[in-house]
Amino acid sequence: ETGVTQSPTHLIKTRGQQVTLRCSSQSGHNTVSWYQQALGQGPQFIFQYYREEENGRGNFPPRFSGLQFPNYSSELNVNALELDDSALYLCASRSPSDGGNYGYTFGSGTRLTVV
Amino acid sequence: QKEVEQNSGPLSVPEGAIASLNCTYSDRGSQSFFWYRQYSGKSPELIMFIYSNGDKEDGRFTAQLNKASQYVSLLIRDSQPSDSATYLCAVNTLNTNAGKSTFGDGTTLTVKP
Repeated sequence: ETGVTQSPTHLIKTRGQQVTLRCSSQSGHNTVSWYQQALGQGPQFIFQYYREEENGRGNFPPRFSGLQFPNYSSELNVNALELDDSALYLCASRSPSDGGNYGYTFGSGTRLTVV
Repeated sequence: QKEVEQNSGPLSVPEGAIASLNCTYSDRGSQSFFWYRQYSGKSPELIMFIYSNGDKEDGRFTAQLNKASQYVSLLIRDSQPSDSATYLCAVNTLNTNAGKSTFGDGTTLTVKP
């Protein structure tokens, strides 16, 4: 299996609701990171998982949480949605060593709109 | 001051010209540097990475790194209309797959036929 797959592609939620976004990372990639990209801005780091453990977190509140499963797929959960959570959510995976390339392979993203 | 700064643009160049995109970063401990291309409505795609001072060439793309000046740039030779996109600079403080990337807000490039 190649590529990083995210679902759903688009989502509309109401303020206060909860949402779960899913990611299936590229085969052999045991590190998965989640980023939030607001319109006109660069991606902002939410958190990173390595072998099912969170090993890094950005400046996001605890209502942003995640999981990584043994097959390296991952979920991002956001509780108590706020209007400012409207953004493109990107899943990014990385292999342990790819010729010294530690860059990300991004999924196509989930566009979340909170109304 | 943002950790990674880029000129937002838009940068407009004629087809066939050289496009020069610049990025500065604030953390002197940064060890690895990346350029991503993001087409409108799409996700970022890695096009170049560089870890050592100097130039790194890959086809029409050249990445340049100057750690003393905390500066990294991307040159695109023989620019094509298909190069029109937003270019994101990203910086890692670790040179491993454990390091997170800090992104700039991107420079929008338009290549005019």
